[in-house]
Amino acid sequence: DAGVIQSPRHEVTEMGQEVTLRCKPISGHNSLFWYRQTMMRGLELLIYFNNNVPIDDSGMPEDRFSAKMPNASFSTLKIQPSEPRDSAVYFCASRRAAGSSYNSPLHFGNGTRLTVT
Amino acid sequence: DAKTTQPPSMDCAEGRAANLPCNHSTISGNEYVYWYRQIHSQGPQYIIHGLKNNETNEMASLIITEDRKSSTLILPHATLRDTAVYYCIVGGNQGGKLIFGQGTELSVKP
Repeated sequence: DAGVIQSPRHEVTEMGQEVTLRCKPISGHNSLFWYRQTMMRGLELLIYFNNNVPIDDSGMPEDRFSAKMPNASFSTLKIQPSEPRDSAVYFCASRRAAGSSYNSPLHFGNGTRLTVT
Repeated sequence: DAKTTQPPSMDCAEGRAANLPCNHSTISGNEYVYWYRQIHSQGPQYIIHGLKNNETNEMASLIITEDRKSSTLILPHATLRDTAVYYCIVGGNQGGKLIFGQGTELSVKP
C-alpha cells in the first residue's frame, strides 16, 4: 500500500503564476478530500469528491481555485493566478466510502508546501 | 457538522498514560468520533474511531460516554514520539465530510 501520493512536495512560485497540485489516492478508495493548512486558520476543508463527483466545494476560497478528478486514481487542485496569501501546506486525503454511513477513516498524503512570493 | 472542544495543550510524563478529552455535545446519532494526530507538519495520521462502544487498537483506546457527548483518547504508555497535535472530529453523515478543529498539542516530557 503506497498510501496517498502528492506531488510536488514543495512548490515555490511567483505571484500571478498558475500552480497545479496533484494527488493519487489509495487504490480502491472512492472518496477524495483536499485540505489546506496554515498557522492562522489550521486545517481547512476545501473540497471533496465521492466517486469522482464534487460533492461540496464550499471551502474553496475563491474562483481562482479549481479542483478536478478526471478518474478514480487522480485529482488536481489548481490555483490561477496564485497570490502570496495562498502560501500553505495543501493535503490530499482519501477514504473508502461504502453504504450510507461513510465511516471509514481518511488517509492523508504528506502534503505539498506551496510558497507564493 | 457537530463541533468539538478540546484543550489547546497538555503535558504528559514519558511512560505514563496520556488522557486526551474531547467534548462533542451536539453529536448526532449516526456521527462517528474520529481521532487523528499530526506530527510536525506531516499529514494527519489516523488513530482510532468509534460510534458508541469503547474501542482499542495497537495505538490507543477510545472511551465514549454513554450519552456520546464526550470522549477520551488514551495513549497507555506515552513516549516522546507521541508528541503531536491530536484532533478529535465527529462526522459520518452529510456524505462523510470531516472538519478539523484546532486540536490539543500534547507534549510528552522525559
